[in-house]
Amino acid sequence: AQSVAQPEDQVNVAEGNPLTVKCTYSVSGNPYLFWYVQYPNRGLQFLLKYITGDNLVKGSYGFEAEFNKSQTSFHLKKPSALVSDSALYFCAVRDTDGSSNTGKLIFGQGTTLQVKP
Amino acid sequence: DAGVIQSPRHEVTEMGQEVTLRCKPISGHNSLFWYRQTMMRGLELLIYFNNNVPIDDSGMPEDRFSAKMPNASFSTLKIQPSEPRDSAVYFCASRIPSGNTIYFGEGSWLTVV
Repeated sequence: AQSVAQPEDQVNVAEGNPLTVKCTYSVSGNPYLFWYVQYPNRGLQFLLKYITGDNLVKGSYGFEAEFNKSQTSFHLKKPSALVSDSALYFCAVRDTDGSSNTGKLIFGQGTTLQVKP
Repeated sequence: DAGVIQSPRHEVTEMGQEVTLRCKPISGHNSLFWYRQTMMRGLELLIYFNNNVPIDDSGMPEDRFSAKMPNASFSTLKIQPSEPRDSAVYFCASRIPSGNTIYFGEGSWLTVV
């Protein structure tokens, strides 16, 4: 079964410093990986995805993620954090039933990012 | 373009009452998903539809929950009777045909007292 793990419940960084939010995955076949962000009292917003191609994927709001097949990781990164980046971040993987795309996304438990001034 | 539209945004109801949550997917999207978010269990997929047909409802917690999609632009999630443990945020999401990214609505925040 497909799964993702976000090992950190919370990440704290100072404004202006680089940030990393970690995600590891377990899939059969090629992984389709996603990052979403949820601001307080809002829905999930799509940030970026990896389907194929370059291992470094660029997304919205200056975020990027690095796909690492050998480490089965897809960490979210940003070179310089902003206070406004404080939110809940979810990693997700597309579910398959072995041979076909079910269309579902399986989400990690989420990581709260706190950026302090 | 309008995103996924959910209503109501907030609902407080008494235990035993019927709750109906509504969703309008993004125009042209043919897959629709209902997710539930709680502190204890995170994001759980309840059910999803392709072309208005329920494909997988294995995440629906019990018979008190039902979902319908009578046409391409409307879906409902109904809880009858509601219980306090149903208190959660319910998200609707949609996806284009053969697409990979799903887009979420703002959620319906349900409190059952």
